[in-house]
Amino acid sequence: DVKVTQSSRYLVKRTGEKVFLECVQDMDHENMFWYRQDPGLGLRLIYFSYDVKMKEKGDIPEGYSVSREKKERFSLILESASTNQTSMYLCAAWGPGEPYNEQFFGPGTRLTVL
Amino acid sequence: QQPVQSPQAVILREGEDAVINCSSSKALYSVHWYRQKHGEAPVFLMILLKGGEQKGHEKISASFNEKKQQSSLYLTASQLSYSGTYFCGTELIRDTDKLIFGTGTRLQVFP
Repeated sequence: DVKVTQSSRYLVKRTGEKVFLECVQDMDHENMFWYRQDPGLGLRLIYFSYDVKMKEKGDIPEGYSVSREKKERFSLILESASTNQTSMYLCAAWGPGEPYNEQFFGPGTRLTVL
Repeated sequence: QQPVQSPQAVILREGEDAVINCSSSKALYSVHWYRQKHGEAPVFLMILLKGGEQKGHEKISASFNEKKQQSSLYLTASQLSYSGTYFCGTELIRDTDKLIFGTGTRLQVFP
């Protein structure tokens, strides 16, 4: 029953490192999303993609980039990790579905940048 | 652009009721509600569509006031399993490619 998976549950990186967060979905959905979750701030949209090789900025794209080379895979890249990027990162996929067209979320990656 | 949820936190005893509100400053096409338990991914509860259509789990009810761009989630006769953080996700009329989520409401139900 796996729908959205993320490559790591926990990740610890050093300031300045390049970080890759991977997300894979098995529902053949067009739309995929990366959110950041911080206490009191809810889920904030970083980037999203509505098709292969297409990407759109969300509300907080600074310091991040994304890649979608295949429909099922959406990667979030931190070019040079900073301590203020310590957070929980959630990936989601969204598309037509029955009985609900709900977004399915991955389990999340808790990233700590030292 | 992020919708505002209220209250920020609720503490209940089993059997009590609660209402969680979600308010947007922009015209909405739909509102989605999710619940996240500690350490887990958010899970879908309900969709409310412009025009009045609702789709969701039977024991959850909600309302959507299109004119006020507001939605409320009603939790009646709360159970311990209702504990978690509730998020509303708003789909804008002018931008239906994504959901913008609120700040969340933390609900704790005690025996």
